[in-house]
Amino acid sequence: EVQLVESGGEIVQPGGSLRLSCAASGFTFSSYWVHWVRQAPGKGLVWVARINMDGTTTNYADSVKGRFTISRDNAKSTLFLQMNSLSVDDTALYYCTRAGSYRHDYWGRGTLVTVSS
Amino acid sequence: QSALTQPASVSGSPGQSITISCTGTSSDVGAYNYVSWYQQHPGKAPELVIYEVSNRPSGVSNRFSGSKSGNTASLTISGLQAEDEADYYCTSYTRSNTYVFGSGTGVTVL
Repeated sequence: EVQLVESGGEIVQPGGSLRLSCAASGFTFSSYWVHWVRQAPGKGLVWVARINMDGTTTNYADSVKGRFTISRDNAKSTLFLQMNSLSVDDTALYYCTRAGSYRHDYWGRGTLVTVSS
Repeated sequence: QSALTQPASVSGSPGQSITISCTGTSSDVGAYNYVSWYQQHPGKAPELVIYEVSNRPSGVSNRFSGSKSGNTASLTISGLQAEDEADYYCTSYTRSNTYVFGSGTGVTVL
């Protein structure tokens, strides 16, 4: 069974940093692109970033470019999102997704990041 | 990267058909056949219901169908059931090698 379990979300002050993790199991992690998607409370889904199978290619939404870094450890089947210079607009539930052929075919349950003073 | 445009809400009676539109540009929806649709029930993670415009994943009801014309994609739910009441989001791959989601549509079963 494919499982994606996010962790690392917490309350952080504006300007602070946070590192999210996503532990994958039930599939060959190194064979898939993986993404981060976020959803602010009561709002819609927003794509954040993606990384290819061996970690050599990354893409970001304009809203996070230069502040967030996506990375992966295939040996540990784990995806990361390093978030710096956080603002209140980054407050959201962050989902990890597996991407098969340009679609998000599996989603985790999300980890909540709250940016507040 | 503006969100794709979806109606805020759509409603229908049980058994009826409804269609949700998803309008983008020639740089996203109109550029590729990489439009997918997701269903999200309250408090739950989204689930894939349609991929590559019109393909249904295994296990998804054949009451869900998708299409595309130009810069607009559509999701149709036929034989509407109470369990279909949820939020629905489209997403498209873009020419910038990124993805963009739609603004989301709340479906109400009357």
